[in-house]
Amino acid sequence: AQSVTQLGSHVSVSEGALVLLRCNYSSSVPPYLFWYVQYPNQGLQLLLKYTTGATLVKGINGFEAEFKKSETSFHLTKPSAHMSDAAEYFCAAGGYQKVTFGIGTKLQVIP
Amino acid sequence: DAGITQSPRHKVTETGTPVTLRCHQTENHRYMYWYRQDPGHGLRLIHYSYGVKDTDKGEVSDGYSVSRSKTEDFLLTLESATSSQTSVYFCAIASGGQETQYFGPGTRLLVL
Repeated sequence: AQSVTQLGSHVSVSEGALVLLRCNYSSSVPPYLFWYVQYPNQGLQLLLKYTTGATLVKGINGFEAEFKKSETSFHLTKPSAHMSDAAEYFCAAGGYQKVTFGIGTKLQVIP
Repeated sequence: DAGITQSPRHKVTETGTPVTLRCHQTENHRYMYWYRQDPGHGLRLIHYSYGVKDTDKGEVSDGYSVSRSKTEDFLLTLESATSSQTSVYFCAIASGGQETQYFGPGTRLLVL
């Protein structure tokens, strides 16, 4: 069974600083990998997705993630945090028919 | 936005009563999922469907049942609600098992 580990349930950054949210997956084969964002009282929205091919994936709102097979990682980054980035972020790994989600990381952006 | 609606959006019920939550899609997607979201646990899969009348259990299926008689509707039933089932429930749809999932707005359920 797949598992997804998100390091840090809460991350705080200053506005304009680098955002780095960590995700590691456990799988015998490289899975499909996702990052979703959830704003308060809303459902999850897709930020970006890795399937095959280029390991650096660009998503919406300036976010990107790099698939590193050797490290079984799929960390999410954004060069400069904006106040509107404050939300909860979920990493997920897709296997056959279903997806396993991490527990989420709440991002706080400090003015 | 993907055409997914959930009803009701909020519900308060008492322990021991049956509760049914509805997920409706207008995208004609094959896969539909029910998750619950709880602090410290992220999203956990309850049940999913890979076609009309085709369903399977997720990791937290005890106390829940589902039905899918039409492509567009996926019902989640709490057979006898307990306080541990107080949660936010999300429905999601996908065109394929490994494809992007699109989420509904959620249903907040409080079991007293």
